[in-house]
Amino acid sequence: RKEVEQDPGPFNVPEGATVAFNCTYSNSASQSFFWYRQDCRKEPKLLMSVYSSGNEDGRFTAQLNRASQYISLLIRDSKLSDSATYLCVVSGGYQKVTFGIGTKLQVIP
Amino acid sequence: EPEVTQTPSHQVTQMGQEVILRCVPISNHLYFYWYRQILGQKVEFLVSFYNNEISEKSEIFDDQFSVERPDGSNFTLKIRSTKLEDSAMYFCAAAGDSASPQHFGDGTRLSIL
Repeated sequence: RKEVEQDPGPFNVPEGATVAFNCTYSNSASQSFFWYRQDCRKEPKLLMSVYSSGNEDGRFTAQLNRASQYISLLIRDSKLSDSATYLCVVSGGYQKVTFGIGTKLQVIP
Repeated sequence: EPEVTQTPSHQVTQMGQEVILRCVPISNHLYFYWYRQILGQKVEFLVSFYNNEISEKSEIFDDQFSVERPDGSNFTLKIRSTKLEDSAMYFCAAAGDSASPQHFGDGTRLSIL
């Protein structure tokens, strides 16, 4: 099983749609979880940290399910500017950080 | 937002040559990282660095790679004898502590000919 697994997509959604991405991780000792976005040929940029209680930042909601070892990201009211690759990032403790392959989102006018 | 800056933005080198990639992390961050991303593939962890020593490294980070922070500001990645397969984007990242999210520089594109 891959350390961090994501559906690479692409997810093609119309503007205004709600879209959800999932990510699973294999190391049950993982401690920190993040979603980053990466635009084509650019650096990853932090979107949000993911907490056990779930957290929301505007149109974005992240959730963590430790028992099932998965993380989710929900984007409401998609904008054209949301088009990017969304990277699931898991920290296994003592600084080892693993990235998923990323899920590509294309928001269509 | 404070930035992590990387130089050069693009490095073209002949196979077998040494390259040094440079990073200036955010001044109050203490944890530093190097990653690489081969075109079309995922971001891969290379090494983490704290308190002037390597704290963790991946299988990719073999004897051809080294890191140092010689002057307390620049954080460098050296590849001793480059191979074609070293061609990739190399990202530097910094964090305030080991559990915090990392902030990435805009990368160095390394092309080995």
